[in-house]
Amino acid sequence: DTEVTQTPKHLVMGMTNKKSLKCEQHMGHRAMYWYKQKAKKPPELMFVYSYEKLSINESVPSRFSPECPNSSLLNLHLHALQPEDSALYLCASSQDRNSPLHFGNGTRLTVT
Amino acid sequence: KNQVEQSPQSLIILEGKNCTLQCNYTVSPFSNLRWYKQDTGRGPVSLTIMTFSENTKSNGRYTATLDADTKQSSLHITASQLSDSASYICVVKNGGFKTIFGAGTRLFVKA
Repeated sequence: DTEVTQTPKHLVMGMTNKKSLKCEQHMGHRAMYWYKQKAKKPPELMFVYSYEKLSINESVPSRFSPECPNSSLLNLHLHALQPEDSALYLCASSQDRNSPLHFGNGTRLTVT
Repeated sequence: KNQVEQSPQSLIILEGKNCTLQCNYTVSPFSNLRWYKQDTGRGPVSLTIMTFSENTKSNGRYTATLDADTKQSSLHITASQLSDSASYICVVKNGGFKTIFGAGTRLFVKA
């Protein structure tokens, strides 16, 4: 089992819905990441939090809003998404910027 | 431009056979290189990590090599099993939070 837990595993939402993805790790890692992965493509970085502060935003549209309530939790708030936002959303954590990424199993998001 | 290229794009082998996956990178500065295995619908799992001074590292049936001069890495899988069917992703870090991913090699192991 992965040490990074993501919920829900699957999510179907309409374009007017508001939903949130959740990620949790208890490894004491101080960096947490959101990635988006389309089928047969590598993960694409969206956001990085370091010590609970937003460190990197890869020019992600504002309909995606990250939140890091504490060092163990990372949320991704979704609002007014488009069908092309359908993808596997992966959360990852690392001890520091050079340490290995530990991925969760992702949330499979479908926007209808 | 920082890039990681993998070959082949896909590979089909028979159970029990060996195979080698290739990764070429043009990333500067170079911090470390990792190979990840990703099963369909799941998150990537780290197999090995290679730093600048390491040439070979093994993890069970997986052996990774790194040639920092030619900027090439390989992942050799010995005595393949059906459960080895997955995507194998070469990932390079250049000292920051950003990670450069290769497109992956999709391996299919057939009985």
